[in-house]
Amino acid sequence: KAGVTQTPRYLIKTRGQQVTLSCSPISGHRSVSWYQQTPGQGLQFLFEYFSETQRNKGNFPGRFSGRQFSNSRSEMNVSTLELGDSALYLCASSLGSGAPKNIQYFGAGTRLSVL
Amino acid sequence: AQKITQTQPGMFVQEKEAVTLDCTYDTSDPSYGLFWYKQPSSGEMIFLIYQGSYDQQNATEGRYSLNFQKARKSANLVISASQLGDSAMYFCAMRETGNQFYFGTGTSLTVIP
Repeated sequence: KAGVTQTPRYLIKTRGQQVTLSCSPISGHRSVSWYQQTPGQGLQFLFEYFSETQRNKGNFPGRFSGRQFSNSRSEMNVSTLELGDSALYLCASSLGSGAPKNIQYFGAGTRLSVL
Repeated sequence: AQKITQTQPGMFVQEKEAVTLDCTYDTSDPSYGLFWYKQPSSGEMIFLIYQGSYDQQNATEGRYSLNFQKARKSANLVISASQLGDSAMYFCAMRETGNQFYFGTGTSLTVIP
């Protein structure tokens, strides 16, 4: 079974641009979560989607948005990029029920550099 | 209050020795899950082990075991017979029913040959 696939793996953008990151979950998984990881702030939760609906949301500005498609694939968009958006963006998928036992499996991440 | 606390920013262990990575958590939900992940320098987060709040026995997965002390709200990871490949960041995480995952700040483990 294929794992979580994130594309692209690396991305370089300039301030003010926008970017879209993609995540394909493990087959059969209906929940996708996104995280931002930086050396200074650690791993921070962005949002979680389940069945095309945002189920949980972290404390990020509205420039960060996401969506999930009917095949459970998810995209994350960051508009008006700032230097501080440089980070490793991780996507994780799980079966999707709200049960605590739902294990999240992560992709390899997209490393975004904003110049 | 922090949901997950990992108080050891960095740890060193001799190859073939055992090491314990500490994790405490905070929740009032009686139903929750505790997780440990490993993140090598490549960046990918690798799931290691899971413990449910109602599980009577400590979870084990190969060389990994979770020392679950519910009353103390503690979920320490024990790695036995450390290997050089165990050098990585280790994250403790918790999920309450219907909620997001909460991650700790991580512990950097270095295995010394």
